[in-house]
Amino acid sequence: EPEVTQTPSHQVTQMGQEVILRCVPISNHLYFYWYRQILGQKVEFLVSFYNNEISEKSEIFDDQFSVERPDGSNFTLKIRSTKLEDSAMYFCASRGDREPEAFFGQGTRLTVV
Amino acid sequence: GEDVEQSLFLSVREGDSSVINCTYTDSSSTYLYWYKQEPGAGLQLLTYIFSNMDMKQDQRLTVLLNKKDKHLSLRIADTQTGDSAIYFCAESIRGGYQKVTFGTGTKLQVIP
Repeated sequence: EPEVTQTPSHQVTQMGQEVILRCVPISNHLYFYWYRQILGQKVEFLVSFYNNEISEKSEIFDDQFSVERPDGSNFTLKIRSTKLEDSAMYFCASRGDREPEAFFGQGTRLTVV
Repeated sequence: GEDVEQSLFLSVREGDSSVINCTYTDSSSTYLYWYKQEPGAGLQLLTYIFSNMDMKQDQRLTVLLNKKDKHLSLRIADTQTGDSAIYFCAESIRGGYQKVTFGTGTKLQVIP
């Protein structure tokens, strides 16, 4: 069964460093998303991406964040200068055209020290 | 805007039925989902229902929707220890880019 894959599963980084979280969505899916879940809290929407551009973003997704689909298969989330409060589990998701199901990856746990 | 509320915790005995409840606020054409998250794992889509339906059954899972009260429930029949997890209710508005809005999650503990 097709699945969304994310790498790495766990990333530790120093405050102020840049990180790139990677995702391979399900092939032939058209809509891509990033969410985050701070430990013990609810899953929060960050950004949606369609047709090679951001379609919607939340207040959390400020200038420190960016997304890219560099090669037609990978979908990346970059945090330019990490802060302690960026520590969270980051989930990538994808969805096919006219399909209600959004499929999530296993997540990347980001720890900022 | 969308807002989804759930109770935080539910404990049941193995073999009993579990009922996890959720309320949502958006009145647009909406998909309503149940996701399962096991400890340290990702979000597994269990089932979903469209807001014009009343009920959906899938093996041990039954989803009931009360549109008037905007109340959604997930019933797990014959609950097993492997069902212990956090269950998230979620919604998305049909059409557009369909971001998913999650509830706070209900932690289900199954006692052997």
